[in-house]
Amino acid sequence: DMKVTQMPRYLIKRMGENVLLECGQDMSHETMYWYRQDPGLGLQLIYISYDVDSNSEGDIPKGYRVSRKKREHFSLILDSAKTNQTSVYFCASSFGQGNTEVFFGKGTRLTVV
Amino acid sequence: GDSVTQTEGPVTLSEGTSLTVNCSYETKQYPTLFWYVQYPGEGPQLLFKVPKANEKGSNRGFEATYNKEATSFHLQKASVQESDSAVYYCALGITGNTRKLIFGLGTTLQVQP
Repeated sequence: DMKVTQMPRYLIKRMGENVLLECGQDMSHETMYWYRQDPGLGLQLIYISYDVDSNSEGDIPKGYRVSRKKREHFSLILDSAKTNQTSVYFCASSFGQGNTEVFFGKGTRLTVV
Repeated sequence: GDSVTQTEGPVTLSEGTSLTVNCSYETKQYPTLFWYVQYPGEGPQLLFKVPKANEKGSNRGFEATYNKEATSFHLQKASVQESDSAVYYCALGITGNTRKLIFGLGTTLQVQP
């Protein structure tokens, strides 16, 4: 079953705490993504990973970092979370280059208070 | 740069009426064009894609033609159903060294019975 799994689904953190969002996929896709979704702003690309330890900044990388040590896992880290990082975060994966279907997880709703 | 612009929402229609969601794109590369649909509580999922200029894609009664000359990819459906209520995203897939998927801001469709 082709699936992108995100954990946790809901998370509340205090400002200044560190946040780890985890993502896994079972399709051996080489490309993985982190997006955030905010009302009126659509889906904004934070980071893209082309394979293990091959990561590239997206359009809004500031305040985030990523880690990909295995092809199946891609983590998003927020060091010292800020209230403006409250959002819904989506992980996604695809096989090959930008002309193939991208599969999304169900999202993590992060609230920073 | 690469960008996608689509109809602002929300769009409210009655069941049985026709739908058009406009999408235009800008890129100097050779893109693949996609329409994604997102239901509440879910991540976006592929509706269909069109990799070649002047070809049409379709799924579940929705269709769109990749018009290279007009740089457009408008989504249409002849008769919408209440179950079509969702957010629709036009997306531009870029290949090559900077492969990525760029989304429009999304159009919320509400279909009333």
